[in-house]
Amino acid sequence: EAGVAQSPRYKIIEKRQSVAFWCNPISGHATLYWYQQILGQGPKLLIQFQNNGVVDDSQLPKDRFSAERLKGVDSTLKIQPAKLEDSAVYLCASSLLVASYEQYFGPGTRLTVT
Amino acid sequence: QQQVKQSPQSLIVQKGGISIINCAYENTAFDYFPWYQQFPGKGPALLIAIRPDVSEKKEGRFTISFNKSAKQFSLHIMDSQPGDSATYFCAARDPMKTSYDKVIFGPGTSLSVIP
Repeated sequence: EAGVAQSPRYKIIEKRQSVAFWCNPISGHATLYWYQQILGQGPKLLIQFQNNGVVDDSQLPKDRFSAERLKGVDSTLKIQPAKLEDSAVYLCASSLLVASYEQYFGPGTRLTVT
Repeated sequence: QQQVKQSPQSLIVQKGGISIINCAYENTAFDYFPWYQQFPGKGPALLIAIRPDVSEKKEGRFTISFNKSAKQFSLHIMDSQPGDSATYFCAARDPMKTSYDKVIFGPGTSLSVIP
């Protein structure tokens, strides 16, 4: 089966600019997650969707980050405006069940904010 | 209470040796403890997972040992190979009573297996 797809793979922007990331989960996976992975740290959950509804966005900096999941399939994560501390890898994952420990990750998007 | 601690931060092991990564937690409500493996440029991939009522689980060269009373668990990689060189994350699932469950990741251990 096809894995989780993400694009772009790399992005370099200046601070205060905006950026968007795209994720296509594994077919049939109802739950989709966005994680932020800062260099040298473990993934940190930003937002979790069940179908097209948000079930956990407690760690999402809502003043600058937003996310949506279109028709319960693809998802986009946006940052506007970006700060230097947003430099990280943004990982998308999906799972068959809600908040399963068995999550399938995409390759990530490496964001550098200069 | 939400943290998962992991050590060492980095580890160098000779080919054929045993790699050991240790993790600790405080929240006794955690109900699953998975380990993820991440190669450079790739997303993490589930390696093996254990429930707290099981003391040991083995899959091939990978073994999780679990000590519930000490709130510690560890990953042992037997006969370590250069292809095992990766970053390993321990994690824990928190069955949140007031909202959806979430998985919390440790900070990771960078393993290098040298020939």
